[in-house]
Amino acid sequence: KAGVTQTPRYLIKTRGQQVTLSCSPISGHRSVSWYQQTPGQGLQFLFEYFSETQRNKGNFPGRFSGRQFSNSRSEMNVSTLELGDSALYLCASSLGSATWRQETQYFGPGTRLLVL
Amino acid sequence: GQQLNQSPQSMFIQEGEDVSMNCTSSSIFNTWLWYKQDPGEGPVLLIALYKAGELTSNGRLTAQFGITRKDSFLNISASIPSDVGIYFCAGQYGGSQGNLIFGKGTKLSVKP
Repeated sequence: KAGVTQTPRYLIKTRGQQVTLSCSPISGHRSVSWYQQTPGQGLQFLFEYFSETQRNKGNFPGRFSGRQFSNSRSEMNVSTLELGDSALYLCASSLGSATWRQETQYFGPGTRLLVL
Repeated sequence: GQQLNQSPQSMFIQEGEDVSMNCTSSSIFNTWLWYKQDPGEGPVLLIALYKAGELTSNGRLTAQFGITRKDSFLNISASIPSDVGIYFCAGQYGGSQGNLIFGKGTKLSVKP
């Protein structure tokens, strides 16, 4: 079974630009979560999508948005890029069943974004 | 917001030594997870813990969910060079899938 794939793997943008990152979950997984990883802040939760709806949201500004398609693939968009947005953006997929128990999330390799 | 205190930040050990790292929180968690991340890769789940007091092993790795539900530890026995990497703990306190809170990581270096 193929793992979580993310494209592109590396990206260089300049301040003020916008960027779209893509994530394809493991086949059969309906939940996709996005995380930002930086040396200073560590791994921080951005948002989670399930059945094309945002189910949870972390504490990030509105410049960070996402969406999920009917095939569970997800994209995240960052508008008006700032230098501090330079980070590794990780997505993780899970089955997404609505239970109390945390399901195992499988992470992709990430997209490394550098904002100049 | 919620924070996880993970320690130590880094460890330099000799091959064959045992390793211990832990995470503490000011809040109660329902689930504790331990991940390992290699350079240029995403975190890989090592062990998941779902009940207070639970002790779970995965090969040379053993993790425990603290009785108070506010802490967890990970032990690695007889370390080998491929254990090198960054180990993260993560806690989840609600029923939602996305609300994982991560520790800052423990960077493990193993000298052959």
